[in-house]
Amino acid sequence: EVQLVQSGAEVKKPGESLKISCRGSGYGFTSYWIGWVRQMPGKGLECMGIIYPGDSDTRYSPSFQGQVTISADKSINTAYLQWSSLKASDTATYYCVRHSYNSGWLFGYWGQGTLVTVSS
Amino acid sequence: EIVLTQSPGTLSLSPGERATLSCRASQTVSSNYLAWYQQKPGQAPRLLFYGASSRATGVPDRFSGSGSGTDFTLTISRLEPEDFAVYYCQQYGSSPRTFGGGTKVEIK
Repeated sequence: EVQLVQSGAEVKKPGESLKISCRGSGYGFTSYWIGWVRQMPGKGLECMGIIYPGDSDTRYSPSFQGQVTISADKSINTAYLQWSSLKASDTATYYCVRHSYNSGWLFGYWGQGTLVTVSS
Repeated sequence: EIVLTQSPGTLSLSPGERATLSCRASQTVSSNYLAWYQQKPGQAPRLLFYGASSRATGVPDRFSGSGSGTDFTLTISRLEPEDFAVYYCQQYGSSPRTFGGGTKVEIK
């Protein structure tokens, strides 16, 4: 069974750094694109970016390029999303996603979500 | 950027009724790479359809997807209690990949 298990909720202050994680299991971690989707409170979904753990090829949506860093450690089947300096507007639920049906940006599997709250 | 406009914003229906949800794109969706997702409160979204009309694994056949080019439709033939949720369309053929704003299907 494919599972994406994300790290727990975080409460941070503006300007702090953060790295959240997503561990994949039940499939060949290096053979599927894994990515992140943002959902701001009460709002819709936004594709942030994806990474191919096999070779670390990383693609970002233009809105998120330079704002976050997506990485993966294939030795422990884990993908990461990190910020160097959080803003209040980063408050959202972040979903880890895995591609399906031969398209890196089509998300057939989702993690449970990580709520990030940024507040002074 | 392809903008996806979903309508209506909210659909109020009773169990057993038919639901028709629209997703209109500002430009042609490449290769009809249009997906539909369902999200229930407090849960992660679930993929329902890809390629506009291909049903994902485990999706009941009361759900159907159709359309091409710029106009796409998700139809639920007879609403079950578990179908009341928010539905999003997504185009995954052109950068940046975008989602529609969602349609909430609520119990009347």
